[in-house]
Amino acid sequence: DVKVTQSSRYLVKRTGEKVFLECVQDMDHENMFWYRQDPGLGLRLIYFSYDVKMKEKGDIPEGYSVSREKKERFSLILESASTNQTSMYLCASSIGSAGQNEKLFFGSGTQLSVL
Amino acid sequence: GDSVTQMEGPVTLSEEAFLTINCTYTATGYPSLFWYVQYPGEGLQLLLKATKADDKGSNKGFEATYRKETTSFHLEKGSVQVSDSAVYFCALRTSYDKVIFGPGTSLSVIP
Repeated sequence: DVKVTQSSRYLVKRTGEKVFLECVQDMDHENMFWYRQDPGLGLRLIYFSYDVKMKEKGDIPEGYSVSREKKERFSLILESASTNQTSMYLCASSIGSAGQNEKLFFGSGTQLSVL
Repeated sequence: GDSVTQMEGPVTLSEEAFLTINCTYTATGYPSLFWYVQYPGEGLQLLLKATKADDKGSNKGFEATYRKETTSFHLEKGSVQVSDSAVYFCALRTSYDKVIFGPGTSLSVIP
């Protein structure tokens, strides 16, 4: 089975800190995604990447950046954390370039609290 | 832009009731459509999918039909069980591999 691993289950940070959220997948997937999940808003796409060093903005990229230096790892960076970035962050991956039958595999999420 | 709209929740049903959760979408091209489910305390997992118009996805007694003319992908189940209590997300995958989710619909099934 595909495994998508997020480095932390819970994180507490202070306003203004630089925050790194790490995600690693073990199935050579081309596509990787970062979402945030908030009550009543569902999952909102922050960034996605379809190849190493390639990235595309999602619907809410403001305040975030990403890095994909290796195929298996996709990092989400909060340059200067703010309280409105308190959320559950979900990483996902998919095969990519495989036609229309792919599905997303999700990590277990990182609950980030910014104080 | 591309978007997914779902019916507002929460939805509360008695066991063995019929379930419909409405989902409509806006997208260019020919997206693939998905339903994901998140059980309490668990991560999201794929429930079913459909990749072209008139396709019907089905799994665990749930069904959804890709209706291009109405841009809809409504989720249905004939007889819900307590174990179906979860949050259900409709999603689409665009031709550029971008995957967008709806806001989710919380379902509670009571005995």
